[in-house]
Amino acid sequence: KDQVFQPSTVASSEGAVVEIFCNHSVSNAYNFFWYLHFPGCAPRLLVKGSKPSQQGRYNMTYERFSSSLLILQVREADAAVYYCAGCGIGTGTASKLTFGTGTRLQVTL
Amino acid sequence: ETGVTQSPTHLIKTRGQQVTLRCSSQSGHNTVSWYQQALGQGPQFIFQYYREEENGRGNFPPRFSGLQFPHDSSALNVNALELDDSALYLCASSQRGTSTEAFFGQGTRLTVV
Repeated sequence: KDQVFQPSTVASSEGAVVEIFCNHSVSNAYNFFWYLHFPGCAPRLLVKGSKPSQQGRYNMTYERFSSSLLILQVREADAAVYYCAGCGIGTGTASKLTFGTGTRLQVTL
Repeated sequence: ETGVTQSPTHLIKTRGQQVTLRCSSQSGHNTVSWYQQALGQGPQFIFQYYREEENGRGNFPPRFSGLQFPHDSSALNVNALELDDSALYLCASSQRGTSTEAFFGQGTRLTVV
């Protein structure tokens, strides 16, 4: 069964670097996508790809079946749910995503 | 703002009823996907529409159906509602072949009682 696994909760201190790990068993998934989701708002893409990449304070590591999202200089406002998703080559578009159950980031001052 | 809007934002229906949820895609996008997100879970892929035709379906029964209209609008229809259909429904639009990013709407929260 195609699944994406990520921890349910991660805690960090303000100003630190936090890592959220994800791995998957999606048979044809080569790309990882990391989304940020605040309740009541649209999920927002942070970083994506099939290789390590960076967008602002967000770094993504990449291996064939796992990825980590690193958030630099964590702020209180970063407290939210982060979703990891996998998408395969040849599935047409990035819209056919397999999501994990989300990781809630708790930030302590 | 993603340019994707969904309506209504909240909805309460009775078991056995039918519901239609709407999505306005980002201008120019030719692909729309729908996801169901139950409480405490990640979004689950329902189906995708490309140029008004269904183009892939997840593990959902036929009572979940969709339509994609010209000019960037689409709809998700659910017949014979069950209590377990209570969830957040998200639509995502993208441009097939040019972008690997899907832009999500804020979702419709459906409660079935």
